[in-house]
Amino acid sequence: GAGVSQSPSNKVTEKGKDVELRCDPISGHTALYWYRQRLGQGLEFLIYFQGNSAPDKSGLPSDRFSAERTGESVSTLTIQRTQQEDSAVYLCASSLSAWGSRDFSSYNSPLHFGNGTRLTVT
Amino acid sequence: GDSVTQMEGPVTLSEEAFLTINCTYTATGYPSLFWYVQYPGEGLQLLLKATKADDKGSNKGFEATYRKETTSFHLEKGSVQVSDSAVYFCALQNTGGFKTIFGAGTRLFVKA
Repeated sequence: GAGVSQSPSNKVTEKGKDVELRCDPISGHTALYWYRQRLGQGLEFLIYFQGNSAPDKSGLPSDRFSAERTGESVSTLTIQRTQQEDSAVYLCASSLSAWGSRDFSSYNSPLHFGNGTRLTVT
Repeated sequence: GDSVTQMEGPVTLSEEAFLTINCTYTATGYPSLFWYVQYPGEGLQLLLKATKADDKGSNKGFEATYRKETTSFHLEKGSVQVSDSAVYFCALQNTGGFKTIFGAGTRLFVKA
């Protein structure tokens, strides 16, 4: 079946512009996650969604970053007034469950990742 | 807070060599532990997992044992192949499973 799809795959933008990154999770996956991966570094947690709500936004680096999810499906990550330090690969992942799910049997399900969006801010 | 520490890379091995990539963690409660792999040009994918102490996860010849006493989850393979060249990430997901924390990744190069 279809995996996690992210678009665009590459985005080059000028400093100060806004960008919107999109993620289509695997159908039926209630949990959705955004991570950031800077060059040569590990994955930095940004935010996760359980359904349409975002119980944990603690990883968002600043108020320039926001995310939403509609219909327990597509999610968008928006970065306003981009800065050069925002340059990174933004990864989206989905899974069957997350905290708060009533499906205890699927707790700690592994994450399924998209191929990411490579953002370059010039 | 919870954290994962894994050995720095890159690790360069010859084909058929033995591989160990060390991973230790700090967590409250009883986390599940994972190894993810990122092959060149591809997205991250699950390699193996273990959900409780003394469990051994295995896949594609790779193994890792959940050691609660040493808070470790080292990745091993007896004989690596060129096709194993990738970046390997150790990760933990704590009770409730809402947030997966990743290590910094270890790049493996395998020479023919």
